Amino acid sequence: SQTIHQWPATLVQPVGSPLSLECTVEGTSNPNLYWYRQAAGRGLQLLFYSVGIGQISSEVPQNLSASRPQDRQFILSSKKLLLSDSGFYLCARTRTGGTSTGELFFGEGSRLTVL
Amino acid sequence: SQQGEEDPQALSIQEGENATMNCSYKTSINNLQWYRQNSGRGLVHLILIRSNEREKHSGRLRVTLDTSKKSSSLLITASRAADTASYFCATDGLIFGNEKLTFGTGTRLTIIP
Repeated sequence: SQTIHQWPATLVQPVGSPLSLECTVEGTSNPNLYWYRQAAGRGLQLLFYSVGIGQISSEVPQNLSASRPQDRQFILSSKKLLLSDSGFYLCARTRTGGTSTGELFFGEGSRLTVL
Repeated sequence: SQQGEEDPQALSIQEGENATMNCSYKTSINNLQWYRQNSGRGLVHLILIRSNEREKHSGRLRVTLDTSKKSSSLLITASRAADTASYFCATDGLIFGNEKLTFGTGTRLTIIP
C-alpha cells in the first residue's frame, strides 16, 4: 500500500494564526517525502522535501517550515499565517527512498484558506 | 521556479477525439513523468519516460520525449468524458540530483460528451 493520509482536509484560519498540516504515509520505509502548494488553477510549487528523519530541504524562502519527526510523518507548520499562504497543500511520497525519484504518490490534499 | 511549461493551458474536445498536450522543460533530466489531477484531488501518476527513451505507450496514452528540443507530448486517444482533468508534466533535476520533481503549469482538458 502506498496510502498517504493528510489532515485536515480543509481549514479556514485567520491571518496571524498558527498552522499545522500533517501527513502520514504507509508502505515502504524511509521514503522521500514532499510538500507541494498549488494556487488556484495553477501548477505545483515544491515547498519542502525530506530524504530521512530530521532532514529537510527548503525550496523557497517563505513563512512556512517543515519537520519529519518520524520516518512516516511529515508536518508543515507556520507560526503566523499570511493571506498569501492560502492554497491547496499536497503531500507526496516516493515508492522507496534514496536518490531515485521515480513516481510520486500524492495524498488528497489540504485546502487552506487564510482570511 | 517552474521547470516545465505545458501547452495549451486549456483544451476542449469532443468525446472520441484525440487530445494532445505538450510540455517543454529547461534543464537536462533523467526522466519525465505525466500526472493527472481531477478537480480538488491529489495527483495520480500516469506514465514515466526515461531520457534514453523516445516513445512509450500505456493503454490509450502515448508519450514522446525529444531531449534535443527539451520537450514531451502526451497523446490520449479515443477520449472519454472521464478523461476530463488537469494534466501535468514533471521532471527531475539532473543537476540537483534525483531527490525532487518539478511540475509544469498544467493543461486543463475538458472532454465534451
